[in-house]
Amino acid sequence: DVKVTQSSRYLVKRTGEKVFLECVQDMDHENMFWYRQDPGLGLRLIYFSYDVKMKEKGDIPEGYSVSREKKERFSLILESASTNQTSMYLCASRPGGSNTEAFFGQGTRLTVV
Amino acid sequence: QQQVKQSPQSLIVQKGGISIINCAYENTAFDYFPWYQQFPGKGPALLIAIRPDVSEKKEGRFTISFNKSAKQFSLHIMDSQPGDSATYFCAAGWSGGYQKVTFGTGTKLQVIP
Repeated sequence: DVKVTQSSRYLVKRTGEKVFLECVQDMDHENMFWYRQDPGLGLRLIYFSYDVKMKEKGDIPEGYSVSREKKERFSLILESASTNQTSMYLCASRPGGSNTEAFFGQGTRLTVV
Repeated sequence: QQQVKQSPQSLIVQKGGISIINCAYENTAFDYFPWYQQFPGKGPALLIAIRPDVSEKKEGRFTISFNKSAKQFSLHIMDSQPGDSATYFCAAGWSGGYQKVTFGTGTKLQVIP
């Protein structure tokens, strides 16, 4: 069974802290994505990676960075957390090839206080 | 050129009725149009997808209608059931490049008994 696992369901951090969100997939997928989900705004792409150590900016990369040292793991980093980064963060992975299905993790609800 | 506009934002339908969610896209290069379903506390999961070489695709009670000339596509849920209550996201993307999709803003569907 396909699995994308995010390390935390809920996280509370203070403004200015460095925050790591971890995502692991067990499907040997080439492509991995980080989205944030906000009411009325849908899913917005932060960063994605199409191979180990490769990354591309999505639509809203400001304030975030990513790391992909191993194929199965994709980390989202908030260098200095701010209150406007309070959101639901979703990780997804997709195999290579055309029109492939994306598999999502269960999400991490991050609150920055 | 990357936007996907989705309506309505929320929808209440009586059990047994038809739920209709509409999406419009701008980028004519898009050739992959999936719909994702998200239950509370879960990540989105692929429901059904269509390519622009067909005008309609049906899977059980779920049908995608596609109008290439108008750059619009819609999801119809026939005989809606309370178990269909969820948030639905349309998305659009293309087979080339890194195959990332752009999501709509989501529709929260409530099916009442």
